[in-house]
Amino acid sequence: QVQLQESGPGLVKPSETLSLTCDVSGDSMNKYYWSWIRQSPRKGLEWIAYIFHSGKTNYNPSLKSRVTISLDTSKSRFSLKLNSVTAADTAVYYCAGDFDGAGALVSWGQGTLVTVPS
Amino acid sequence: QSALTQPRSVSGSPGQSVAISCIGTSSDIGTYDYVSWYQQHPGKAPKLIIHDVSKRPSGVPDRFSGSKSGNTASLTVSGLQADDEADYYCCSYAGNFPYAFGTGTKVTV
Repeated sequence: QVQLQESGPGLVKPSETLSLTCDVSGDSMNKYYWSWIRQSPRKGLEWIAYIFHSGKTNYNPSLKSRVTISLDTSKSRFSLKLNSVTAADTAVYYCAGDFDGAGALVSWGQGTLVTVPS
Repeated sequence: QSALTQPRSVSGSPGQSVAISCIGTSSDIGTYDYVSWYQQHPGKAPKLIIHDVSKRPSGVPDRFSGSKSGNTASLTVSGLQADDEADYYCCSYAGNFPYAFGTGTKVTV
């Protein structure tokens, strides 16, 4: 089973860019669609974006203008950048993997809390 | 893409069964058989317990079962145990929006 671990700053100032990385171990990155998902009391679980090893990406339309997802298979990691953050972006951010794009997120990181002060 | 609708909470005694509904639309649950369910204990990441409407990943007890009818999916937990007390989320593929999550249901044992 693949293991995932998020890392990045826990506090981001308003209007700045949130940057997170997910380190992947235990399986080939080429088998999975890699997603970022966030969870907040206000919006519940919210899918942000995914990327496949081919470079194919897909973004949540509500966040697309502010989000970039990228992949570095040589380092077994993928990343998220969310710019122009506000307090509404405060959430626990998870990275997750969907085996072969089958529509189910089989592996999740432990999550990392990112706070944007108001 | 709107969130799928789940009851806020359900409860049951040990050994009993509970069912959680997940109401979607013809754009998600009604069209695609890519419904999944996740269990989340406090402070932990969600864990996949059902995929493709009714399939259980290896290691998930057969006390957990899933089904779908029309625009509504359901998760049934049979033989409730104390460790089943958690939040449960449904999720459906919705065309170009791959993961539409439900609003979440708190199960109390």
